[in-house]
Amino acid sequence: NAGVTQTPKFQVLKTGQSMTLQCAQDMNHNSMYWYRQDPGMGLRLIYYSASEGTTDKGEVPNGYNVSRLNKREFSLRLESAAPSQTSVYFCASSDRHDSYNSPLHFGNGTRLTVT
Amino acid sequence: AQKVTQAQTEISVVEKEDVTLDCVYETRDTTYYLFWYKQPPSGELVFLIRRNSFDEQNEISGRYSWNFQKSTSSFNFTITASQVVDSAVYFCALMDSNYQLIWGAGTKLIIKP
Repeated sequence: NAGVTQTPKFQVLKTGQSMTLQCAQDMNHNSMYWYRQDPGMGLRLIYYSASEGTTDKGEVPNGYNVSRLNKREFSLRLESAAPSQTSVYFCASSDRHDSYNSPLHFGNGTRLTVT
Repeated sequence: AQKVTQAQTEISVVEKEDVTLDCVYETRDTTYYLFWYKQPPSGELVFLIRRNSFDEQNEISGRYSWNFQKSTSSFNFTITASQVVDSAVYFCALMDSNYQLIWGAGTKLIIKP
């Protein structure tokens, strides 16, 4: 079982460039999430998709867009990268967003550096 | 405000020592869940345990144990007889009544051989 797969694993961008982070899960989960992890700050939710066809902002959505392409795939786009977006990005999925009994399953992360 | 505090940014112990990772939370909700996740050096976070606000029984799973105390708003995690493979960053998180997860900053645990 692959679980949650993220691509790429590493990326370096120049300020102003755009890119899309890809995420796919094979667990038939309904909900998917994008987090960023910065030193000393834990994880912060960027966007999530409670179910196919819906997306909602999290704690830090500015500068990002998302697309829930289908039930399996949830992409994160940076339209004009800024150095403040240098971070490690994690995709996660869960069976249901509105449930205490659906722990998150995470991908391996994408380490993004914006120069 | 909803908040999770992991005051220990880094802990270093020698293998076979016991170690406790602290987690203190703040919430106005009466129904909530608490979680622990492990992030090994490979990067992906792995779910360890979930606890609801109505169940204060301690939980033991092998060398891992969790102590939930509502009176002190704490959900501490103890590893007994630590091993090098336990080296990781450990995150505590609170799920509130709106199903939002609030994460602590994490504690980096280093187990020296």
